[in-house]
Amino acid sequence: QALLVQSGSELKKPGASVRISCQASGYTFTSYSMNWLRQAPGQGLEWMGWIDTASGNPMVARGFTGRLVFSLDTSVNTVHLRINNLVFDDSGVYYCARDRGFGAFDVWGQGTPVTVSS
Amino acid sequence: QSVLSQPPSASGTLGQRVTLSCSGSNSNVGSNAVNWYQQLPGTAPKLLIHSQNQRPSGVPDRFSGSKSGTSASLDISGLQSDDESTYYCAVWDDTLGVPVFGGGTRLTVL
Repeated sequence: QALLVQSGSELKKPGASVRISCQASGYTFTSYSMNWLRQAPGQGLEWMGWIDTASGNPMVARGFTGRLVFSLDTSVNTVHLRINNLVFDDSGVYYCARDRGFGAFDVWGQGTPVTVSS
Repeated sequence: QSVLSQPPSASGTLGQRVTLSCSGSNSNVGSNAVNWYQQLPGTAPKLLIHSQNQRPSGVPDRFSGSKSGTSASLDISGLQSDDESTYYCAVWDDTLGVPVFGGGTRLTVL
């Protein structure tokens, strides 16, 4: 069955960068876009953007423009999220999620907790 | 501040039917199919309903979705203890050009 496995938790200082990985298995990787979502502690879900796994074209949500970099490695069915210039409010759990179409995210990674602390 | 509005909490008793609401606007709920997610504490969200009223494989038919105008609803019948979760509505927003979420409703089963 389709599965997404993310990299482990991260502890970073303000101003640093973090890279989170998400490896897919059990389906044709390039047939579905991959999305990234964030959940701040005790808060709801926030969509950050997506990457077209067939073309590599990214789309970053307006509030994150300039600090996010999406990339992929189709040889190992993996997408990466890099967040530059971390601030305290970037703390939370980051999820990758497969889009089955029309924003319906049907397969999710287990989440990667990121803590930004000085 | 979420684009979609959901009541922060709801409750029901075992076996009861509950309805969770999600309010949006013409550019999102009024124009596109709504998706619903269930999130148990400490776990990733799970797609519960997509395309307004379609259930992914494995989701019991106790869960159903509907929409009227700019409001959507998730009905849960025959409430069970493991339905105690947070439920999020989500939909594509034509004006923003992105998917938007509600703030979530935490359902307590009494």
